[in-house]
Amino acid sequence: QQPVQSPQAVILREGEDAVINCSSSKALYSVHWYRQKHGEAPVFLMILLKGGEQKGHEKISASFNEKKQQSSLYLTASQLSYSGTYFCGTAISSGSARQLTFGSGTQLTVLP
Amino acid sequence: DSGVTQTPKHLITATGQRVTLRCSPRSGDLSVYWYQQSLDQGLQFLIQYYNGEERAKGNILERFSAQQFPDLHSELNLSSLELGDSALYFCASSGTSGGINEQFFGPGTRLTVL
Repeated sequence: QQPVQSPQAVILREGEDAVINCSSSKALYSVHWYRQKHGEAPVFLMILLKGGEQKGHEKISASFNEKKQQSSLYLTASQLSYSGTYFCGTAISSGSARQLTFGSGTQLTVLP
Repeated sequence: DSGVTQTPKHLITATGQRVTLRCSPRSGDLSVYWYQQSLDQGLQFLIQYYNGEERAKGNILERFSAQQFPDLHSELNLSSLELGDSALYFCASSGTSGGINEQFFGPGTRLTVL
């Protein structure tokens, strides 16, 4: 089942902060965050695993609430280069394959 | 550059035709994933291969098939094409199977069915 992302779109000024949320109705094994610029490939930002392990870029922070099956991506002091569509991908706990199901995306626009 | 290559970059074909999309994973990655992204839509998982074997299947139509070869490159075959198959098709690779490692996406193949 597809995770739900919110908000669908957000517009910021450079230097402002934003939070993007991702929630699932199923028990999650991991949450992945990607950013995609128009016409380009998604780029890996962060992975959060059940149990607390995180892997990702230093300038990106995120949280994973295992009880609520929710994750949030925190973008602080936004730069123009942060503009793009942010997708969360979730892998559920059951099964060994654990393929990712992606949300519909959050379109982030950073204005000068 | 993610290290994942996809060919061709663009493909224009007619309804009813058959096409093959090719993907070479990053060096050392054993898992290959195929995704479909229609205009301004999210990423729809199609299928995953791990070291030559099918590992997981998503919303892949029966008209579509894939395989992973001994050298780990993968091909996605789309047949009896319809207008609605027009989309960006991404291939991604990761070192393992199981959702614990990041996936690296190729640049995609843009398929246009006329």
